[in-house]
Amino acid sequence: AQSVTQLDSHVSVSEGTPVLLRCNYSSSYSPSLFWYVQHPNKGLQLLLKYTSAATLVKGINGFEAEFKKSETSFHLTKPSAHMSDAAEYFCVVGGGSYIPTFGRGTSLIVHP
Amino acid sequence: DAGVIQSPRHEVTEMGQEVTLRCKPISGHNSLFWYRQTMMRGLELLIYFNNNVPIDDSGMPEDRFSAKMPNASFSTLKIQPSEPRDSAVYFCASSSRVSGANVLTFGAGSRLTVL
Repeated sequence: AQSVTQLDSHVSVSEGTPVLLRCNYSSSYSPSLFWYVQHPNKGLQLLLKYTSAATLVKGINGFEAEFKKSETSFHLTKPSAHMSDAAEYFCVVGGGSYIPTFGRGTSLIVHP
Repeated sequence: DAGVIQSPRHEVTEMGQEVTLRCKPISGHNSLFWYRQTMMRGLELLIYFNNNVPIDDSGMPEDRFSAKMPNASFSTLKIQPSEPRDSAVYFCASSSRVSGANVLTFGAGSRLTVL
């Protein structure tokens, strides 16, 4: 069994400030973990993935995430937010099952 | 590669009409997923195919919904008869164990409005 919890439904930041989107997971297997981004009226796009290699994963557009097994977390961060980062972000757990489990999503709002 | 291709991008229909959504997965991908996204319920998995065979359809809301994958390059999701509560964006996604387990590539979605 596997599940994922995104701790915040909305996160609001000012442009140029750091971004933190939180994700906790549970899995009966060694998990694969992913972050996807969905811009308004678009499909979902893969940001980054963790598949049991380095625990700090770098993705596109300056995002990165760190796998912390002891905390069962996979938080997404970015040092400096840009207006174009405003979107919906989904944390996903996979691995033992072919069927990925999606979180409810976190809406990132970026203020000028 | 053109990615996952969905059609139509937008569909407006009246209650009771049949709706057919289409998906062409990425060539070589052997898994295909249909999702529905609404504001109320978020992203829901409807059905999952592996090697053209339906593996898990527990997310299909009711008998009005059906999905087929007659070959590796085409899938349909049909709603008959459609109801206003079916209004949503329907996404198709495909993946391959070769490209990375469970890494999904999504289509742009089909926005359905049932009046």
